[in-house]
Amino acid sequence: AQSVTQLDSHVSVSEGTPVLLRCNYSSSYSPSLFWYVQHPNKGLQLLLKYTSAATLVKGINGFEAEFKKSETSFHLTKPSAHMSDAAEYFCVVSTRTGGGNKLTFGTGTQLKVEL
Amino acid sequence: EAGVAQSPRYKIIEKRQSVAFWCNPISGHATLYWYQQILGQGPKLLIQFQNNGVVDDSQLPKDRFSAERLKGVDSTLKIQPAKLEDSAVYLCASSSSRARGEKLFFGSGTQLSVL
Repeated sequence: AQSVTQLDSHVSVSEGTPVLLRCNYSSSYSPSLFWYVQHPNKGLQLLLKYTSAATLVKGINGFEAEFKKSETSFHLTKPSAHMSDAAEYFCVVSTRTGGGNKLTFGTGTQLKVEL
Repeated sequence: EAGVAQSPRYKIIEKRQSVAFWCNPISGHATLYWYQQILGQGPKLLIQFQNNGVVDDSQLPKDRFSAERLKGVDSTLKIQPAKLEDSAVYLCASSSSRARGEKLFFGSGTQLSVL
């Protein structure tokens, strides 16, 4: 079975400093991995996805993630945090089931951005 | 482009009552998903439809939960009777296909409180 583990439930950074949200995956074959963001009272929004092309994936709002097979990691980074980045972030792995595309979510990392 | 619409936005019921949620996916999206997100956890897939057929309902508690997608467009999710542990946000999502790596578009969810 495929799964993801988000290593931090809460991360707090100052505005203008780098962001690092950590995710490790478990998969028996090359996975499809995603990062989704959830702002309060809003729907989940795709930040970026990895589907076996370039290992460094660039997403929206200046976020990027690097797929590292040797470390089974897919950490999310941003060089400079903005107040609007405060939200919950989910690392997600996609599994092909009998006819379907099943997304398995991590437990989430709450990002707090302080002035 | 209109997003995924869900209603109601909030619902409060007593245990053993029944409740229904409605979802209207993005026009033309063949694949529709219902997720349950319990506070502090990542979303968990309940059921996935391809057009009006079910492709994955392995995690749907079928003794109390039911879902349908008549005509392959709108969908309803019903709980009867509700239990305290059903308190959660119920998210609907849609995608244009069920290919692995396909982007999902999420609605804002229905927050259910069971008292």
